[in-house]
Amino acid sequence: GQNIDQPTEMTATEGAIVQINCTYQTSGFNGLFWYQQHAGEAPTFLSYNVLDGLEEKGRFSSFLSRSKGYSYLLLKELQMKDSASYLCAVRDSSGGSYIPTFGRGTSLIVHP
Amino acid sequence: DGGITQSPKYLFRKEGQNVTLSCEQNLNHDAMYWYRQDPGQGLRLIYYSQIVNDFQKGDIAEGYSVSREKKESFPLTVTSAQKNPTAFYLCASNVARDYNEQFFGPGTRLTVL
Repeated sequence: GQNIDQPTEMTATEGAIVQINCTYQTSGFNGLFWYQQHAGEAPTFLSYNVLDGLEEKGRFSSFLSRSKGYSYLLLKELQMKDSASYLCAVRDSSGGSYIPTFGRGTSLIVHP
Repeated sequence: DGGITQSPKYLFRKEGQNVTLSCEQNLNHDAMYWYRQDPGQGLRLIYYSQIVNDFQKGDIAEGYSVSREKKESFPLTVTSAQKNPTAFYLCASNVARDYNEQFFGPGTRLTVL
């Protein structure tokens, strides 16, 4: 299985940049996902990384280093609506299941 | 509009009663999943199905049962054997197991009194 670690909570100021880290251990890495989840709502897909490097999508970017078992989600020009939980999920192909395992999530609080 | 629906949004049951949570999708996805989320926790996999009439246990299947008689539907039954059933339940689907993103339903919050 996977061991996924991300900070429990982070705070940041509106307009700033924040980086949310995720470290993982897995035997058959097959992709890393970031989801955003507002309180009481369903997670929504933000990004997918399977190769090393940075994927940019508007204000959000996600980085992956497979050799280090490390990813981060970078949020720029923070807005109040970015206050949410951010879930890191790792997909493992060993055993043939291809089912992502989710971390506990990082609760991001954006204040004025 | 294509998507995943779960009903009801809130559900209350007495201890010892079985309860079934519905999940329907019109995205023509093969794979469907049930997750449980507790406060401050990530999503934990209960059951998943990659094709009609077939399903597999996830990490916390004890006390739950599922069926997949139709491609569009993947209902979850929370039985009286589940020791701690109060939680937020999320259903998800994707095109196939190794496709990228999962699409989630709005969730059902189950409270057992």
